[in-house]
Amino acid sequence: GQNIDQPTEMTATEGAIVQINCTYQTSGFNGLFWYQQHAGEAPTFLSYNVLDGLEEKGRFSSFLSRSKGYSYLLLKELQMKDSASYLCAVRLKAAGNKLTFGGGTRVLVKP
Amino acid sequence: DTAVSQTPKYLVTQMGNDKSIKCEQNLGHDTMYWYKQDSKKFLKIMFSYNNKELIINETVPNRFSPKSPDKAHLNLHINSLELGDSAVYFCASSQEVRTRGTDTQYFGPGTRLTVL
Repeated sequence: GQNIDQPTEMTATEGAIVQINCTYQTSGFNGLFWYQQHAGEAPTFLSYNVLDGLEEKGRFSSFLSRSKGYSYLLLKELQMKDSASYLCAVRLKAAGNKLTFGGGTRVLVKP
Repeated sequence: DTAVSQTPKYLVTQMGNDKSIKCEQNLGHDTMYWYKQDSKKFLKIMFSYNNKELIINETVPNRFSPKSPDKAHLNLHINSLELGDSAVYFCASSQEVRTRGTDTQYFGPGTRLTVL
């Protein structure tokens, strides 16, 4: 089966950096996505990794190590509006571009 | 200029009723999905259609029946609603990318279904 783990909750201070880890055990790995979801809203795409290494997009960066089954999302210069859930999702080499999501990490940014 | 839209946003109904949720995307994508997000916030794939053809059908009760009249629409009909069907249902769409690229899924605003 597929298994994707991420911490349930994290708290950080405005202006700080937070790293959200995601580990996965899947068969047929074909890419990893990070989504942001504010309470009561739809998930929105943040980043995508399919090769090992770091992808940087402004204040957000995502890292992937396929050999370790590990990814992290790094949020820098935290702002209050970054308080949200962050979902790690693995795409599988199967028909239909199937995404399997982790349970999400709720990040609370405090002043 | 909404990309992926769903109606209704909220749906409150009695157990045993039949209801439908509609989804439309104007992104020109060829693949659409239905996801269920339960109270514990797990987001799980239910169905996926590519150009009106069903390609993913997870272990979902057959009370749930998706229908895709064209590649811009994917509706979800639910028969004999049960308490456990209460959740937020998200529609999503993506464009199949044959070359190296990102076939990112874009989500609709969600439909919060409450079964009483």
